[in-house]
Amino acid sequence: NAGVMQNPRHLVRRRGQEARLRCSPMKGHSHVYWYRQLPEEGLKFMVYLQKENIIDESGMPKERFSAEFPKEGPSILRIQQVVRGDSAAYFCASSPPGSSGQPQHFGDGTRLSIL
Amino acid sequence: QKEVEQNSGPLSVPEGAIASLNCTYSDRGSQSFFWYRQYSGKSPELIMFIYSNGDKEDGRFTAQLNKASQYVSLLIRDSQPSDSATYLCAVNTGTASKLTFGTGTRLQVTL
Repeated sequence: NAGVMQNPRHLVRRRGQEARLRCSPMKGHSHVYWYRQLPEEGLKFMVYLQKENIIDESGMPKERFSAEFPKEGPSILRIQQVVRGDSAAYFCASSPPGSSGQPQHFGDGTRLSIL
Repeated sequence: QKEVEQNSGPLSVPEGAIASLNCTYSDRGSQSFFWYRQYSGKSPELIMFIYSNGDKEDGRFTAQLNKASQYVSLLIRDSQPSDSATYLCAVNTGTASKLTFGTGTRLQVTL
């Protein structure tokens, strides 16, 4: 499968636990973006990463959320001490290297549910 | 004022008709424009993208961009029931790579 791969597809956590969401970009893509979609709301940008660098984290909540894209392996979105309001669909997208404005292709998402 | 605005719908069109979906944006520096289709419970799927004023056609889909009016639209010809979905307009501004999305228009194609 040459598409954007996200896992897990569904994740259930209890309040206070940690959630780790993974994303492998499409082959040949080096730019990774994370978006969050709350129920009945639009997609909201969270963070934009390239290998080993956070380029834009203007959409990330100031606390509990972090992201990385290491030299080897997938990008990770980490949510510490989850709360009910973190329940959402988290989508990863990737785009090829080059100028801004390249089309972004989305993975199937991770549906996070907080009990 | 929202950065990207869409009518939430639902927009109902009969099978075989043309569906017209509209989107306005507030940032005049916006340079890249995208339409995504999202079925309920699924991920956004890229349908069209357009960078220059005018029309861009791909099969049954036509994207139209008017930067002076800050307006982008998507036409779907010969609408099919399988086109029933939420259509998301997304805008990329200047050197920023992030996409700003509208809340989407729900399209219903009726038999």
